[in-house]
Amino acid sequence: DIQLTQSPSFLSASVGDRVTITCRASQGINSYLAWYQQQPGKAPKLLIYAASSLQSGVPSRFSGSGSGTEFTLTISSLQPEDFATYYCQQLNSYPHSFGQGTKLEIK
Amino acid sequence: EIQLLESGGDLVQPGGSLRLSCAASEFTFNTFAMNWVRQAPGKGLEWVSSISGGGGRIDYADSVRGRFTISRDNSKNTLYLQMNSLRVDDTGLYYCAKSALGTFYYGMDVWGQGTTVTV
Repeated sequence: DIQLTQSPSFLSASVGDRVTITCRASQGINSYLAWYQQQPGKAPKLLIYAASSLQSGVPSRFSGSGSGTEFTLTISSLQPEDFATYYCQQLNSYPHSFGQGTKLEIK
Repeated sequence: EIQLLESGGDLVQPGGSLRLSCAASEFTFNTFAMNWVRQAPGKGLEWVSSISGGGGRIDYADSVRGRFTISRDNSKNTLYLQMNSLRVDDTGLYYCAKSALGTFYYGMDVWGQGTTVTV
């Protein structure tokens, strides 16, 4: 099974900051990686699919990159509504594992 | 608006069974793969199972294989998860989610609000 490791697990930042979250896969997953945002008490929301494609309706301050085993999610200028937990998920092979999550908190 | 509405969650004793349902609306249900994802209280997301649009391809997490069965009734636009031999560690919020772009490869773009299973 493919393991996904996100770093950091916790991140403290301020409005306007640029932040990057990394997701590393235990083996190559081509570009079959998605990123989700989950607000407390809400269902996850798809942000990025195929490693770098922005889901419709998602603000352009979100971007994704990477292929193979290392991927990043970047938020170019944090907004108050971006403070949430972020998950990566690989869809290259079953089981379609998730990373452990990165909680982004307000500094 | 595309919607997914889960139901069937309940409090059940270990070893018991439940069937979750997910009613889909406002999209061509039989052309999209569907998924179940769960989240234990205070924990992260765990993929549980997926089924292709026609139902011919099915996969399960190792933690539920042999105990859970995913199915769909395309005539009723409904996804199911039959859960048998439930264990305490099956407790959580169970989400139904639609695969993006029809296939498994591009993530899940529509999620229900979840239904709570307590074992």
